Amino acid sequence: AQSVTQLDSQVPVFEEAPVELRCNYSSSVSVYLFWYVQYPNQGLQLLLKYLSGSTLVKGINGFEAEFNKSQTSFHLRKPSVHISDTAEYFCAVISSGGYQKVTFGIGTKLQVIP
Amino acid sequence: NAGVMQNPRHLVRRRGQEARLRCSPMKGHSHVYWYRQLPEEGLKFMVYLQKENIIDESGMPKERFSAEFPKEGPSILRIQQVVRGDSAAYFCASSLTGTGSYEQYFGPGTRLTVT
Repeated sequence: AQSVTQLDSQVPVFEEAPVELRCNYSSSVSVYLFWYVQYPNQGLQLLLKYLSGSTLVKGINGFEAEFNKSQTSFHLRKPSVHISDTAEYFCAVISSGGYQKVTFGIGTKLQVIP
Repeated sequence: NAGVMQNPRHLVRRRGQEARLRCSPMKGHSHVYWYRQLPEEGLKFMVYLQKENIIDESGMPKERFSAEFPKEGPSILRIQQVVRGDSAAYFCASSLTGTGSYEQYFGPGTRLTVT
């Protein structure tokens, strides 16, 4: 079994400030890690994913995330946020070697303040 | 290349009625997944289907819910005798394969409201 914890349900941040959205996971096997973004009344869009290789992953819209196996974390960061980044962000995992049954965190609402 | 299509986008049903949600995967994708998003909660896996087969329905409620993905046509998530607790956003995702690429493409969702 696997689980994902997003500790922050809401994160307010001023425009052009940096932001970090936290994600921790637990699993008895190796996992692949994802961040998705959901804009109001829309579906999910993949921001970035970690499958293997470099632990620092760059995604769309200037976001990046770092996989830390020892801390079982996959925090999402952006050095300077825009108003358009206001959305809900979901961390997700898939067990490696299995099919694509995704386990999602409960989401973090990022509110960018002008 | 059209993305994952879901219809209707919004569906209102009275308690006791049936709800049918449709999902057309991306062209060439033969794997479909359904998720439910309850208010203030993340997405929960419901069912994974391939053409004409249910691979994993471990997330489906035992009663009133069923899903199919026929050889021709969209995948259907059917909810019989809806109750207020079924009000949620239902998302469909598709993938090219069941393993390997590990990327699912999501539709815009169907927002079901039970009155």
